[in-house]
Amino acid sequence: ELKVEQNPLFLSMQEGKNYTIYCNYSTTSDRLYWYRQDPGKSLESLFVLLSNGAVKQEGRLMASLDTKARLSTLHITAAVHDLSATYFCAVDEGGGADGLTFGKGTHLIIQP
Amino acid sequence: GAGVSQSPSNKVTEKGKDVELRCDPISGHTALYWYRQSLGQGLEFLIYFQGNSAPDKSGLPSDRFSAERTGGSVSTLTIQRTQQEDSAVYLCASSLRAGGPTEAFFGQGTRLTVV
Repeated sequence: ELKVEQNPLFLSMQEGKNYTIYCNYSTTSDRLYWYRQDPGKSLESLFVLLSNGAVKQEGRLMASLDTKARLSTLHITAAVHDLSATYFCAVDEGGGADGLTFGKGTHLIIQP
Repeated sequence: GAGVSQSPSNKVTEKGKDVELRCDPISGHTALYWYRQSLGQGLEFLIYFQGNSAPDKSGLPSDRFSAERTGGSVSTLTIQRTQQEDSAVYLCASSLRAGGPTEAFFGQGTRLTVV
């Protein structure tokens, strides 16, 4: 059974600071996705990582994938309040089995 | 449609009643997923459909849960004899295909409250 673990599960930080969210998974996969969820809203796709060493950047967010370590990171640079949300990583084992397996999410609060 | 559409957006039901939740996927997307999100929790996979193939029901929590997908498009998730522990947000997602590396797009969800 595929397990996806995120840490931290909760993070409070100040604007302007940098931080990294980690996503570990338990089986071989080279398909990892990051989503953002605002309170009361649905999930918005942020990044799709499909190979070892893949790096994607959008604004102050950068995601990377190390398939050998079974680890993805979401790095936040010079955080701003608008980035406050819950961030989920999800892993696809491929073959269409079981859809995506999600981590529990990281609840991020960025304070002015 | 432009995105995944779910209805109703909110549903309050009495314990023991049956409910039906509807999902309209993005046009052209052959894969459709149902997930459940309890308050403050992650997403729990329920069921997925790929085109007209038999669905993968491995995530359904009990036999009170069932889902259909008609014509490879619209899907209905039915919960019979609802229990309080069924209260959650039910999210539907679609992607171009299952098994391929395509991202899934989510609907706004149906918030189910069983009283």
